[in-house]
Amino acid sequence: EAGVAQSPRYKIIEKRQSVAFWCNPISGHATLYWYQQILGQGPKLLIQFQNNGVVDDSQLPKDRFSAERLKGVDSTLKIQPAKLEDSAVYLCASSSLRGPNSPLHFGNGTRLTVT
Amino acid sequence: AQTVTQSQPEMSVQEAETVTLSCTYDTSESDYYLFWYKQPPSRQMILVIRQEAYKQQNATENRFSVNFQKAAKSFSLKISDSQLGDAAMYFCAYNSGGGADGLTFGKGTHLIIQP
Repeated sequence: EAGVAQSPRYKIIEKRQSVAFWCNPISGHATLYWYQQILGQGPKLLIQFQNNGVVDDSQLPKDRFSAERLKGVDSTLKIQPAKLEDSAVYLCASSSLRGPNSPLHFGNGTRLTVT
Repeated sequence: AQTVTQSQPEMSVQEAETVTLSCTYDTSESDYYLFWYKQPPSRQMILVIRQEAYKQQNATENRFSVNFQKAAKSFSLKISDSQLGDAAMYFCAYNSGGGADGLTFGKGTHLIIQP
């Protein structure tokens, strides 16, 4: 079984620029999550999708962050414009079902550096 | 809001010895789920063990076991016969299990295994 794929692995941009991250979940997984992990902290949920619908985006800074999962498969997370405090690892995870009984499978993340 | 606290930023243990990582959490829920995740330098979060709050029996997975004290809101991880491959960041996480699927993570403990 192929794992959760994320790209790029690393990205360096200047503040006020835009950036996009891509995630391809495990085949058949209906639930997809984006987490932000700032250095020295645990991951923080940004957004959760169930198929192509948003379940929870309460912690997504909507003035600059957006995410979509148009066909209910892969997903993109965009930041525009980026700020210095957006420097973090962005992790994508997927699960076959909603709820804590369905294990989360994480990708290797994208490390973003904003200068 | 639920919070998860890991009070040990770093722990060190000799290979083959036993180490215990601490975690406390705050919640007003009676039913919930607790997890320990391992994050090696590859950045991929890997599930180590999970505990359902309504189960009194402590979860075990091979060399990994937990001490779940519901009244004290404590959830520690014991690693027996430590191996070099256990070196990683370890995160404690909470899920309410009632519709909100996202995990709340602690800040993590960096585990060092000394040969």
